[in-house]
Amino acid sequence: NAGVTQTPKFRILKIGQSMTLQCTQDMNHNYMYWYRQDPGMGLKLIYYSVGAGITDKGEVPNGYNVSRSTTEDFPLRLELAAPSQTSVYFCASRDRGEQYFGPGTRLTVT
Amino acid sequence: SQELEQSPQSLIVQEGKNLTINCTSSKTLYGLYWYKQKYGEGLIFLMMLQKGGEEKSHEKITAKLDEKKQQSSLHITASQPSHAGIYLCGADDNYGQNFVFGPGTRLSVLP
Repeated sequence: NAGVTQTPKFRILKIGQSMTLQCTQDMNHNYMYWYRQDPGMGLKLIYYSVGAGITDKGEVPNGYNVSRSTTEDFPLRLELAAPSQTSVYFCASRDRGEQYFGPGTRLTVT
Repeated sequence: SQELEQSPQSLIVQEGKNLTINCTSSKTLYGLYWYKQKYGEGLIFLMMLQKGGEEKSHEKITAKLDEKKQQSSLHITASQPSHAGIYLCGADDNYGQNFVFGPGTRLSVLP
């Protein structure tokens, strides 16, 4: 099993551009999560999903959108990127116990 | 909404010393998770606690959940440089869907 994979690993965006962060898991987990981690800070939940077709907002959803058309994939969409969205983004999945994290995507918006 | 606080915010210890990190919740904990993050990398799962009074150990790391299920501690015995990193506690809401992390404790171990 590859676990949780994220692409890209790094990305630089200009203000106002859009992009999609990809997240895929091969463990058939129902729950998937997107977090952001700002420098020196903990993780904040952006969106989560409890199964295909079901998504819900976390603590900091503004400026982001998600979809969950399949169990495996949970892409995060940034529309009109802003400098405040500069962060490291982590995707995670779980069944009932602990979450399994991807390696992260480091995004810079300038 | 549930909030988690961690103390201390950062910790510098000499190799071989013991240390404790605390995690306090604003609400009853239904599932408490400890993770370690090496700088610039993803999170590694350490332990999960669910029952009041529960204690788990793995190698030199012991985690406890108090009887009231609102506080957890992570204790490292005879610390090593490999223990350095950021330790985060995380918790489920009572529906097991939403998830919140504490701000993390940054640990440095001096050789």
